[in-house]
Amino acid sequence: AQSVTQPDIHITVSEGASLELRCNYSYGATPYLFWYVQSPGQGLQLLLKYFSGDTLVQGIKGFEAEFKRSQSSFNLRKPSVHWSDAAEYFCAVGPYYNQGGKLIFGQGTELSVKP
Amino acid sequence: DVKVTQSSRYLVKRTGEKVFLECVQDMDHENMFWYRQDPGLGLRLIYFSYDVKMKEKGDIPEGYSVSREKKERFSLILESASTNQTSMYLCASSLTDRGRNQPQHFGDGTRLSIL
Repeated sequence: AQSVTQPDIHITVSEGASLELRCNYSYGATPYLFWYVQSPGQGLQLLLKYFSGDTLVQGIKGFEAEFKRSQSSFNLRKPSVHWSDAAEYFCAVGPYYNQGGKLIFGQGTELSVKP
Repeated sequence: DVKVTQSSRYLVKRTGEKVFLECVQDMDHENMFWYRQDPGLGLRLIYFSYDVKMKEKGDIPEGYSVSREKKERFSLILESASTNQTSMYLCASSLTDRGRNQPQHFGDGTRLSIL
């Protein structure tokens, strides 16, 4: 079955500390992977995406993610968290070619930032 | 920038009413999607459309229908609203460029309450 698992429902980090949000996927074909962020009361904003090439991808707002095929993981990282990073983060997987680009989303990880 | 506009941010309706949620995108995207978002469940796909007048069921289509008469507009219809349809509804659109899927762009969501 195709699925995305984000093991951490809620994470709290101190401002300035590093951050890693975990994402594991199960997908039959070559995965097209995404991280989205949702601020309160807003829609989802794309942080970064990966299909091929360098397995470390850079995104907006200082985020990066590393694709590890052997572990079926696509973890999101940030070296130093800012208070404005408090939001909910979603990992998603889908096809790169055709099929209408339908995505499967994880359950989300809510990030809180302590001053 | 892609703009996906959902007609209402907040909506309150009564059980048994027929409810229409409207979504418009301004970037000539072929693909449009309706999701519902519930705490702890992430985003679940209700319906999607990859062309005008085309629609496909997602993971949770029961109790919903959709309409896509024009490329830019995708409507979600609750035929007879029930309290278990109280949720946040998100619309998204995306482009498929020469067979390659581009990331989805999201509206700000409609928070629907059924009383």
